[in-house]
Amino acid sequence: GIQVEQSPPDLILQEGANSTLRCNFSDSVNNLQWFHQNPWGQLINLFYIPSGTKQNGRLSATTVATERYSLLYISSSQTTDSGVYFCAVEHDQGAQKLVFGQGTRLTINP
Amino acid sequence: NAGVMQNPRHLVRRRGQEARLRCSPMKGHSHVYWYRQLPEEGLKFMVYLQKENIIDESGMPKERFSAEFPKEGPSILRIQQVVRGDSAAYFCASSPGNTGELFFGEGSRLTVL
Repeated sequence: GIQVEQSPPDLILQEGANSTLRCNFSDSVNNLQWFHQNPWGQLINLFYIPSGTKQNGRLSATTVATERYSLLYISSSQTTDSGVYFCAVEHDQGAQKLVFGQGTRLTINP
Repeated sequence: NAGVMQNPRHLVRRRGQEARLRCSPMKGHSHVYWYRQLPEEGLKFMVYLQKENIIDESGMPKERFSAEFPKEGPSILRIQQVVRGDSAAYFCASSPGNTGELFFGEGSRLTVL
């Protein structure tokens, strides 16, 4: 099956810093989503981005499907950005089976 | 527009009991998915259902686990004779069609004593 690798596994930053999280996948995908799992365990949709670039406030994401990677950018980090960021991809057309990476654990210190 | 609703949020069961987790999809969504998250791991697909049909159950354990999405009412994930290894967070997601963005609920956290 398709492999999804996220890097780095852990990231510790000071408030105000910028960060880039990476998601590599091993085959062509139809869908790609980024999620934030907050310290309370809630899973929050960030981006649905099978290709191209999207921005939402301090967050933006870019997927280059032909090169099989996606990047999530977080600017001017806040402590509320802490948590685990997951990338998930759908491999087979119509299978609608998201495969999740292992996540990047982001800690923003005040 | 309410999001995906899951209940209970937390459930404690003793070994051998049954656990029932419920999921109401977003309004207008007819596709429901269940995922399991073991501690310190990512989410793993379990089952994909449409109304009254199981489309893909390739991620479901062969025994003790079952899922349904009846014509009326929420989707149910049922775990019979729970064991400690079933302790996990169970997430439900829904979508309006068989492609496109999935929206997740807040999860149900099962603890087996």
